[in-house]
Amino acid sequence: GAVVSQHPSRVICKSGTSVKIECRSLDFQATTMFWYRQFPKQSLMLMATSNEGSKATYEQGVEKDKFLINHASLTLSTLTVTSAHPEDSSFYICSATSGGLSYEQYFGPGTRLTVT
Amino acid sequence: QQPVQSPQAVILREGEDAVINCSSSKALYSVHWYRQKHGEAPVFLMILLKGGEQKGHEKISASFNEKKQQSSLYLTASQLSYSGTYFCGTEIRGGSNYKLTFGKGTLLTVNP
Repeated sequence: GAVVSQHPSRVICKSGTSVKIECRSLDFQATTMFWYRQFPKQSLMLMATSNEGSKATYEQGVEKDKFLINHASLTLSTLTVTSAHPEDSSFYICSATSGGLSYEQYFGPGTRLTVT
Repeated sequence: QQPVQSPQAVILREGEDAVINCSSSKALYSVHWYRQKHGEAPVFLMILLKGGEQKGHEKISASFNEKKQQSSLYLTASQLSYSGTYFCGTEIRGGSNYKLTFGKGTLLTVNP
């Protein structure tokens, strides 16, 4: 199946600093990438959808100035958490799809962010 | 709108069967099923498009009832490796952006 990587897998940062998370599709071109946030034992909450070369579409309640998304190429999307606070601590997961009729999403391994 | 999954949790002995349901109040274009193990990313299982089709591979299959906007995931002769949280993701096609809305998940535990 399709492979999606995420880096870093874990990151600890101090409050007020920014953190960048990378999401790469390794063996296919991703027309669309998604960023999710997941709290312990909770569902996947979609944060934003990004298409290569376009501005990301954010879900209601997600601050676009805080969670900066860049989809620079068909294989790379980045999520930057700016001025991180402890409440931003979470598991962030990206997924990618190559489009087509069925749009199956392939998920990256996730990034555990801890803000101290 | 978030789909409703049931049951919330189920415990099986190896070899037993289970059914996980996913229902929506909105007309669905497709239903996607994923399994997530603790601390890992969700793994894609299958997609069902509207049309009432049934899909499956090995001992995991699923159906999609378009009239009821409901999908069911069938796990037969469960194995220890089936343990994890199962999520359904529903797609309501319309507008310019495709996206999935995930249910709260069903925790499946398979014991020896």
